[in-house]
Amino acid sequence: DGGITQSPKYLFRKEGQNVTLSCEQNLNHDAMYWYRQDPGQGLRLIYYSQIVNDFQKGDIAEGYSVSREKKESFPLTVTSAQKNPTAFYLCASSIQSRQYFGPGTRLTVT
Amino acid sequence: GENVEQHPSTLSVQEGDSAVIKCTYSDSASNYFPWYKQELGKRPQLIIDIRSNVGEKKDQRIAVTLNKTAKHFSLHITETQPEDSAVYFCAALNYGGSQGNLIFGKGTKLSVKP
Repeated sequence: DGGITQSPKYLFRKEGQNVTLSCEQNLNHDAMYWYRQDPGQGLRLIYYSQIVNDFQKGDIAEGYSVSREKKESFPLTVTSAQKNPTAFYLCASSIQSRQYFGPGTRLTVT
Repeated sequence: GENVEQHPSTLSVQEGDSAVIKCTYSDSASNYFPWYKQELGKRPQLIIDIRSNVGEKKDQRIAVTLNKTAKHFSLHITETQPEDSAVYFCAALNYGGSQGNLIFGKGTKLSVKP
């Protein structure tokens, strides 16, 4: 788990602003994922990438965008089109099915 | 697609008792079943996983059992301690299939009372 970092830990933004969440891993994992977690709720998949320069939408991709230009990095942009962006965002990477999570970014939009 | 149901949603036990959390899955092609523990405000941590070629796996006080015929798997925690209090998530995956994502259950909040 220590090989996956997310920054910042807490992020505050005004409504209408785009914001980019960072996710970096030094585990040499091919696959990376973004999840959203709301209070008392489970994990919902936003986007995933199985390989560099390729990514797919998950269950709740609307209002989000990603890029995967490097194996180590999978940034998530929360756009102003996302209606309820306040949440805990978790990045993960996996190798041979085992998935490991980063420490998360708690985003608050007011 | 795959669907994972997890029960119960909350579980309260006395310290030293056992706790059991159950999950069922719908896709018979699923072949990998991990369990995650998430403490308040922290990341989910992989605590144990099982693949479909085995029926049971144990790691100290934690064990997971898999019944492929019935399509359910369970997490067993023995001699529970207050530090076991957390939310536990099960998940299922068809590793090597076209759908390469973990499908998670909704979680079980375990409270261990001293």
